[in-house]
Amino acid sequence: NAGVTQTPKFRVLKTGQSMTLLCAQDMNHEYMYWYRQDPGMGLRLIHYSVGEGTTAKGEVPDGYNVSRLKKQNFLLGLESAAPSQTSVYFCASSYSIEGLNTEAFFGQGTRLTVV
Amino acid sequence: QKEVEQDPGPLSVPEGAIVSLNCTYSNSAFQYFMWYRQYSRKGPELLMYTYSSGNKEDGRFTAQVDKSSKYISLFIRDSQPSDSATYLCAMSTNAGGTSYGKLTFGQGTILTVHP
Repeated sequence: NAGVTQTPKFRVLKTGQSMTLLCAQDMNHEYMYWYRQDPGMGLRLIHYSVGEGTTAKGEVPDGYNVSRLKKQNFLLGLESAAPSQTSVYFCASSYSIEGLNTEAFFGQGTRLTVV
Repeated sequence: QKEVEQDPGPLSVPEGAIVSLNCTYSNSAFQYFMWYRQYSRKGPELLMYTYSSGNKEDGRFTAQVDKSSKYISLFIRDSQPSDSATYLCAMSTNAGGTSYGKLTFGQGTILTVHP
């Protein structure tokens, strides 16, 4: 099983450039998330989705947009990259069973540097 | 002040030592507590979870939750070099329902177990 796959794994952007990070999961999970991980900050939730066609803001959504046109894919967009968006980005997915949330499965991460 | 505080370490111990990792939190609505392990340049993986106060044991790992003190711990017995990783505590306000599996993470503790 591939689980959660993130594309690309590494990227260097110039300030002002745009890019899209792709997350794909093959576990038929309802919920998907984008987190960013910075030194000393842990993981912080950017945006999340509770189903196909739905998205919602997390803790640090500014400067990012997301879309979930298909259940298995969750895209994170940076319209105009800034150095403050240099980070490691993790996508995750999960589901609930009998009203209880299950564990979140994470991708391998995307290392983004904005210069 | 962050909702979840975790000492980032780093923590270095000899093989065979007992390791204690801790997190404190301020939001009394947190009900679902997890520990994730993250190896270098990998995504986090769930290690243990619990819904309630008390202890939960799994092999060499014991998770402890004290809701009255808003304090959780992870103990690792007979630590091994393969336990060297970053350990992240994570919490959710609800075991299901409208939390949608969203997690609030601590900063992570870097652990090194040397032979």
